[in-house]
Amino acid sequence: SQQGEEDPQALSIQEGENATMNCSYKTSINNLQWYRQNSGRGLVHLILIRSNEREKHSGRLRVTLDTSKKSSSLLITASRAADTASYFCATDDRSNDYKLSFGAGTTVTVRA
Amino acid sequence: EAQVTQNPRYLITVTGKKLTVTCSQNMNHEYMSWYRQDPGLGLRQIYYSMNVEVTDKGDVPEGYKVSRKEKRNFPLILESPSPNQTSLYFCASSLSIGTSLSDTQYFGPGTRLTVL
Repeated sequence: SQQGEEDPQALSIQEGENATMNCSYKTSINNLQWYRQNSGRGLVHLILIRSNEREKHSGRLRVTLDTSKKSSSLLITASRAADTASYFCATDDRSNDYKLSFGAGTTVTVRA
Repeated sequence: EAQVTQNPRYLITVTGKKLTVTCSQNMNHEYMSWYRQDPGLGLRQIYYSMNVEVTDKGDVPEGYKVSRKEKRNFPLILESPSPNQTSLYFCASSLSIGTSLSDTQYFGPGTRLTVL
């Protein structure tokens, strides 16, 4: 069953604006990861946040994790046309460390 | 170059004709996994392998088989493909598991399968 659910399903923004997407999950986790997928291609890892972390930064990316609400957010600041892609959160499951579950993704379109 | 390769990249076949999609990684990763991606459903895990000769079912294993005889290869086998297995398939690997799946997953380029 799908563990993560991203929100919104789609997002359209102007270049230079910030993009925020959210991920909710159902079970206790060890880690949460965010991936990017350009149209029809393989996923590329963006950032991993552990369950004992609340916030993490990587370049223009900022990820937060609230384990009490079972939710995470991904913020992309100062977006560029190259950020146009689908973004997925992925969670493991503390009851089964080896299974990784992805959400349905948020499709982000950055308009020039 | 560190990579995960999949073959074929595109495949059109007919119902019932056995096929194998190969996956190979050159990073000496212990963990390998297969996913299928369908519109609106995201990625769903089919099977995964923690190491050689160790495999387990993911969320949607029905109709698929895998094997892990060598560390670098993790083929996906469809013994009798059906149209509902038409999908985009991804293989992925990561370095190690330890006590949790805390390593980056490296994805292959995908295999687009159509079953008529």
